[in-house]
Amino acid sequence: GIQVEQSPPDLILQEGANSTLRCNFSDSVNNLQWFHQNPWGQLINLFYIPSGTKQNGRLSATTVATERYSLLYISSSQTTDSGVYFCAEYSGGGADGLTFGKGTHLIIQP
Amino acid sequence: KAGVTQTPRYLIKTRGQQVTLSCSPISGHRSVSWYQQTPGQGLQFLFEYFSETQRNKGNFPGRFSGRQFSNSRSEMNVSTLELGDSALYLCASSLQVLNEQFFGPGTRLTVL
Repeated sequence: GIQVEQSPPDLILQEGANSTLRCNFSDSVNNLQWFHQNPWGQLINLFYIPSGTKQNGRLSATTVATERYSLLYISSSQTTDSGVYFCAEYSGGGADGLTFGKGTHLIIQP
Repeated sequence: KAGVTQTPRYLIKTRGQQVTLSCSPISGHRSVSWYQQTPGQGLQFLFEYFSETQRNKGNFPGRFSGRQFSNSRSEMNVSTLELGDSALYLCASSLQVLNEQFFGPGTRLTVL
């Protein structure tokens, strides 16, 4: 199945800073999703972005499917942006659940 | 439109017991997937159901099973619980297979 690598694993920033999170994939990207896991454990959908660029407020994402990577940009960070960010893609090879990266743990300090 | 709901939200069991978790998908969604999240292994795919049929299964022992009803609601069952089954169990639904998935709040299971 597909391998998903996320970087950086941890990121500590001051409020107002910008950040870029990255996901690399070992295989084709067709159904890439970005999630934010809140402190209670729920995965909140950020983007469904198999290719191209999307923006939602202070967040935007870009997927370059031909090079098998995706970037999540967070601008003007707020403390509520803190949490773990995951990217995921379908596994393929018969086990068609989402394969997740290990996540980026983001802490925004006031 | 209501989101994915999971019950119960928290559960404490002892080793050897069995447990059943429930998931109600977003209205109109026909695919339901289950995932296990632990600090050591991260998020791992358990299985996926579509139209009451299990389409795919992850690398978990047979103690983990599930089913889907005609209204797309799904249950997963874990028999003979082990300490290592303590985890957050997340359910996700999508319109069709290989579509964008939407997750419920999860059930946090503690096995003592």
